[in-house]
Amino acid sequence: KAGVTQTPRYLIKTRGQQVTLSCSPISGHRSVSWYQQTPGQGLQFLFEYFSETQRNKGNFPGRFSGRQFSNSRSEMNVSTLELGDSALYLCASGLGLYEQYFGPGTRLTVT
Amino acid sequence: AQSVTQLDSQVPVFEEAPVELRCNYSSSVSVYLFWYVQYPNQGLQLLLKYLSGSTLVKGINGFEAEFNKSQTSFHLRKPSVHISDTAEYFCAGGETSGSRLTFGEGTQLTVNP
Repeated sequence: KAGVTQTPRYLIKTRGQQVTLSCSPISGHRSVSWYQQTPGQGLQFLFEYFSETQRNKGNFPGRFSGRQFSNSRSEMNVSTLELGDSALYLCASGLGLYEQYFGPGTRLTVT
Repeated sequence: AQSVTQLDSQVPVFEEAPVELRCNYSSSVSVYLFWYVQYPNQGLQLLLKYLSGSTLVKGINGFEAEFNKSQTSFHLRKPSVHISDTAEYFCAGGETSGSRLTFGEGTQLTVNP
């Protein structure tokens, strides 16, 4: 079974731009969650989607948004990028909270 | 879990020595608890999980953890570490009725020859 894939793996953007990250879950998984990892704040929950509906949301500004498609693939978008948005963005797919598999992440650098 | 605290940010240890990475959690509801490992430039790999039942949980790569409800702890142990165990380890928890994980700050385990 293929694992969780995230594209792109690395990204460099300029302040003020927007970015879209993609996550393809393990086949059969309907839940996709996104986390931000930074040296200062650690791992923080962004949001979770289940069957195309946002089921849970973390404490992030509205610049962070996401969606899920009918094939369970998910995208997250960050608008008006700030330097502090530089982070590793991790996607996890699973059957529930008790079984979550993480992808390799997308490393976003904002200059 | 509403909060997860890892008590050591860095743990240096010699090869073949035992190691314990400490994790405490705080929650007023039932929780699931997990340990993940992260190697450089990679995502998170699940080591083990406690959902219910036996408080001693065995995971991959020879790791095990013990759930202690009275002390609200979930410490990770390995009787003999290898150089290849050098990585960052994260304790995480989530309410059984929820859909998000709360992570601890991470513990960098460094195994020296």
